[in-house]
This record gives sequence, structure tokens and C-alpha cells, in this order.
Amino acid sequence: AQRVTQPEKLLSVFKGAPVELKCNYSYSGSPELFWYVQYSRQRLQLLLRHISRESIKGFTADLNKGETSFHLKKPFAQEEDSAMYYCALLQGAQKLVFGQGTRLTINP
Amino acid sequence: GAGVSQSPSNKVTEKGKDVELRCDPISGHTALYWYRQSLGQGLEFLIYFQGNSAPDKSGLPSDRFSAERTGGSVSTLTIQRTQQEDSAVYLCASTNKERAGLRYGYTFGSGTRLTVV
Repeated sequence: AQRVTQPEKLLSVFKGAPVELKCNYSYSGSPELFWYVQYSRQRLQLLLRHISRESIKGFTADLNKGETSFHLKKPFAQEEDSAMYYCALLQGAQKLVFGQGTRLTINP
Repeated sequence: GAGVSQSPSNKVTEKGKDVELRCDPISGHTALYWYRQSLGQGLEFLIYFQGNSAPDKSGLPSDRFSAERTGGSVSTLTIQRTQQEDSAVYLCASTNKERAGLRYGYTFGSGTRLTVV
């Protein structure tokens, strides 16, 4: 079964510390993965996609096929990074399957 | 429109009543998706429309849930005989699949918060 797992429901780090939000997937083909973010009282929005190999707001995510992971990383957390983060896998070119989400809190 | 619009933004209903949730996607977006967001469950896929047809409705929890889309635009999600476990935020998203938009993600609406009392 195609599945996305985010093992941490809650993650709390101090401002300036490194952040890593974990995402593991199971998929039999060549995966296409995304990270979505939802800030307080805002809509869910795309943060980054692995095919673009981009860095958005200081975040990066590398696809590791050997470990079937797509962890989201940022070297120095900022208070405005506090949000709900969802990892998502494109399934069958038709729909996104989301993980359960990780609520990230950045402490001052 | 400029974005995905959902109405109502909040709905409180009594157990056993029927509710209708509306989604107005971005103009020209051919694919439309409904998801349910609840604590502990993350984002659950409900149904997907391509045009007016629904190739994948595998996520609808029960036969109390149904959805339709007309004119390749507005979609309505209907929940009959609501139960307390239906309480959640219902999110709609759209994308332009013809331009391989799906590879670039969805545009989400702000959701309808449904509370069944």
C-alpha cells in the first residue's frame, strides 16, 4: 500500500536550532513528494516539491530512495516557522496522499 | 475566481441532520479534490473529480457521504444523517491537470469547519 508516515505529531525546538521533520513513504514506483505547510489561521499551501530541488524559506528536503525518506530540514529555525507541516506523495498521477502531519513549535 | 472558495466557513449542525458543503475551484482548473482534516487523522482523501466525473471516490467513509460536480466547476459535498464523528474541517483543492499541474501541487481552499452536536 502507498503510504506516508510522519512519526512525530509534535516537534518543539528553540529559535536558531536546526529543525528536521521526518517523512517516510512506501511506494512501488518512482515517487513524487511534496511538503505542505499550514500557518495559524491560513490555508494549507505548498512549501516545496522534490522535483524542483528548491529551497523555500530556508527549508530543503532531499529524497532518499534507499531509506524511502523525504525529511524536511532547516539549519536555523525561526519563530515564524511554527506551523503544521504535511508530507505528501503523488499517487497514480491522480491524487496526493498525505501524512498525519507534524506540528512544529519554535520556542523563543 | 482568484482562489478556491469554500462555503460555509463554519457549520454547526445537530446530529442526524443533512449538510451541504460547497467548493468553487479556481477558474479553468479541471481537477477538484475533497479532503477531511481532523485531529489525529491528518488529511484524509475523500473524492476526486476530473471534470464532472469522479474517477476515485474511494475515500468516502460511508454511503452517507456523496459529492457531485456540475459544469466542470462548483462541487457540493453532502453528508446525510450527520454523526458526531463527522466533525472535522473539510478541505477542497483544485489543480489544472491538463498542464501537469498536479506535479506542482494543489491550491487549497480555507475549508469548512463542521461541528456536529
